[in-house]
Amino acid sequence: GESVGLHLPTLSVQEGDNSIINCAYSNSASDYFIWYKQESGKGPQFIIDIRSNMDKRQGQRVTVLLNKTVKHLSLQIAATQPGDSAVYFCAENGKGSARQLTFGSGTQLTVLP
Amino acid sequence: DGGITQSPKYLFRKEGQNVTLSCEQNLNHDAMYWYRQDPGQGLRLIYYSQIVNDFQKGDIAEGYSVSREKKESFPLTVTSAQKNPTAFYLCASSIGGGELFFGEGSRLTVL
Repeated sequence: GESVGLHLPTLSVQEGDNSIINCAYSNSASDYFIWYKQESGKGPQFIIDIRSNMDKRQGQRVTVLLNKTVKHLSLQIAATQPGDSAVYFCAENGKGSARQLTFGSGTQLTVLP
Repeated sequence: DGGITQSPKYLFRKEGQNVTLSCEQNLNHDAMYWYRQDPGQGLRLIYYSQIVNDFQKGDIAEGYSVSREKKESFPLTVTSAQKNPTAFYLCASSIGGGELFFGEGSRLTVL
């Protein structure tokens, strides 16, 4: 079946450094991708999204890159702050007639002082 | 403020009991979803509903039931048939096929 996976389950970065979180997807029919941030004990929060007709999209301190050739998605966080510590999920919309989102297993980002 | 409200936040259940988790949204979204999250794992889809009085099974529907009598409400019942119900349950809504807006979750523990 189709799946969304992450290359690394955990990532530790120094405060102020840039973070890069990767995601591999396998459903070539997916045309919409989202990154979510989930803090402990809370629901996921939307960070940024990108459609398949784009390669890059920037938000505030975050950039999402989409490489359709190798089916790879990445989230870059600039000047990582302690408040960025959380689990980050990527999701794609290629599944089912309703195009419901399929989520990866997540990457735990820890920001070190 | 518009959003999604889940209740209760914490719930304890004895084996063999059914429990119902509440999910209410005032975003006027047509689609609503229930996900299950286990420690260190991603979200798995239990049920979803694209319109009132209609819902579809997700990937792990066995042992769960839902209803969608009102646009604003999508309660999830965890039945005694669910063999491993201890998990974090997340409700979400969307306009349809796009960004999901999540509630704060309900943590169910079976004693």
